Amino acid sequence: DTGVSQNPRHKITKRGQNVTFRCDPISEHNRLYWYRQTLGQGPEFLTYFQNEAQLEKSRLLSDRFSAERPKGSFSTLEIQRTEQGDSAMYLCASSRLREGVNQPQHFGDGTRLSIL
Amino acid sequence: EDKVVQSPLSLVVHEGDTVTLNCSYEVTNFRSLLWYKQEKKAPTFLFMLTSSGIEKKSGRLSSILDKKELSSILNITATQTGDSAIYLCACRNNNDMRFGAGTRLTVKP
Repeated sequence: DTGVSQNPRHKITKRGQNVTFRCDPISEHNRLYWYRQTLGQGPEFLTYFQNEAQLEKSRLLSDRFSAERPKGSFSTLEIQRTEQGDSAMYLCASSRLREGVNQPQHFGDGTRLSIL
Repeated sequence: EDKVVQSPLSLVVHEGDTVTLNCSYEVTNFRSLLWYKQEKKAPTFLFMLTSSGIEKKSGRLSSILDKKELSSILNITATQTGDSAIYLCACRNNNDMRFGAGTRLTVKP
């Protein structure tokens, strides 16, 4: 069990640029989640996948945000035309179903995005 | 709108003290409540609670869910400096998981 892996760890970019983050979940986990966390707040749900299907998207996920999980393994989160307000920690988590019960999510260390 | 509220927002105690952290929720299609500990990076899982009144324990930490009161508490006994962290409560429904803002616990030597 190597845990949930995210990269890059940090991303600094200018406003207006596009950025892409990657998440590699725990290998046997079929569910993958993206969250955003700002200072002093808990993580806010963005979207989740079951295998390759994107099953839920938050209203927070504007049309500048897109997430994919093409083969049901790793996932990418892209933000286009970044804005100052996108500066945050982007967390990925994964979980699996066991006997019909969704097990706890395990988180990666996140990608910290800073928009200049 | 669904919400998860934690209290207190911050807490400073001395080593050896016992603390109780609170979480209340209003979540449609509630399935489970989870507690996480967040130090500098990833939240790490502590407990998942689905049934009312059944205490879960792990060492000095314990937690219990009250579905009637829509709340949960997390207890830490004999606190140590290593317990200093943000403790997050999260409620899960069919699809997503909603977090509270967390309680920042500082344990002084």
